[in-house]
Amino acid sequence: QVQVQQWGAGLLKPSETLSLTCAVYGGSFSGNFWSWIRQPPGKGLEWIGEINHRGTTNYNPSLKSRVIISVDTSKNQFSLKLTSVTAADTAVYYCAGVVSTDDAFDIWGQGTMVTVST
Amino acid sequence: QSALTQPASVSGSPGQSITISCTGTSSDVGSYDLVSWYQQHPGKAPKLMIYEDIKRPSGISNRFSGSKSGNTASLTISGLQAEDEADYYCCTYAGSSTFVVFGGGTEVTVL
Repeated sequence: QVQVQQWGAGLLKPSETLSLTCAVYGGSFSGNFWSWIRQPPGKGLEWIGEINHRGTTNYNPSLKSRVIISVDTSKNQFSLKLTSVTAADTAVYYCAGVVSTDDAFDIWGQGTMVTVST
Repeated sequence: QSALTQPASVSGSPGQSITISCTGTSSDVGSYDLVSWYQQHPGKAPKLMIYEDIKRPSGISNRFSGSKSGNTASLTISGLQAEDEADYYCCTYAGSSTFVVFGGGTEVTVL
């Protein structure tokens, strides 16, 4: 059964770079798209972007200029970098995967709270 | 402002049925049979409940059903139970420029 576990720094200052990593265990890493999704406190979900094992990426147009999603197939891991963060980037960040379905997020990480504050 | 429009809240009594709507456009909801629905309890990660408009993943109760008409998708919860109290989000593929969009979420209260 596929599971994911995520980690990364939880407290950043404005203008710093957010960095999170998600590891995939127990199943196929290849052949699936892996996404990052965030949720500001008390607000809804926002898709950030996705990557597959070949390194093909797609990004939310509103975040594209600041986002880099990368993959390390040797470790079955994918990572998120978000540059020049501000308080508006404060959110719970989730990694998620499309595994058993062809097009819906059926695997989710536990979430990482990232706070941007001076 | 979210790309997909959901009511902020819906409530019902135990045993009743409720329906949550999710309105998009002809460029997203109306163009693809790819609406999914997620249930989120406080402090927890979202959980997939419905995908491809109407399909239920393995292990999801048949009290949850999805439908779609034109640019509006709907999630119906029948036989409402206390454990169904949660936030629900719709989501869909929106083409090769926007990719994925979510609704603003609906808080379901069991009275």
